[in-house]
Amino acid sequence: ETGVTQTPRHLVMGMTNKKSLKCEQHLGHNAMYWYKQSAKKPLELMFVYSLEERVENNSVPSRFSPECPNSSHLFLHLHTLQPEDSALYLCASSQGLTSGNTIYFGEGSWLTVV
Amino acid sequence: TQLLEQSPQFLSIQEGENLTVYCNSSSVFSSLQWYRQEPGEGPVLLVTVVTGGEVKKLKRLTFQFGDARKDSSLHITAAQPGDTGLYLCAGEEDYGQNFVFGPGTRLSVLP
Repeated sequence: ETGVTQTPRHLVMGMTNKKSLKCEQHLGHNAMYWYKQSAKKPLELMFVYSLEERVENNSVPSRFSPECPNSSHLFLHLHTLQPEDSALYLCASSQGLTSGNTIYFGEGSWLTVV
Repeated sequence: TQLLEQSPQFLSIQEGENLTVYCNSSSVFSSLQWYRQEPGEGPVLLVTVVTGGEVKKLKRLTFQFGDARKDSSLHITAAQPGDTGLYLCAGEEDYGQNFVFGPGTRLSVLP
């Protein structure tokens, strides 16, 4: 069992659909992240949560809405996405936000927008 | 936001060969991490280097952090097909607030 679990692993959705990605970490960490990985760009940080509070939002469009109900769970709510949003969405966690942190990634959720 | 460059972008070698891949930036990072990512999976951490000039070894993999903490290299000795994957470096900026990822080096080791 990996320390960071993401569901679903694969998702196909239409541009008018509403769906959510779920992430759960079993490592006792206090910080959680959403990253986007597409074929044409390096891994891009989307959101950072520390102790359930959002501390980073890298100019992500409002059609992506994160939610962190507790330190073990992180959601990414998706609404009216565009085909260019198709990518691998990676959840990650770390002990905190101090120097020397190690980030542990989940296996990712492959999203295809049609 | 600081930028990381990785070279080469693609590398295809025969089993048993040695190789080195590079991660470079014009900026200083407080630490740097190397990950390997296999198709359809998330990145898996290989090593974290923190001190300028630091060298770490992980079996056949040798990682070095530049003296000025702006660059790093990964050397693989006697590569094996199981080493195939995307090698990503990530620099820590803002003391834990963000990791900047390079575009990766895609390595293919042929049997």
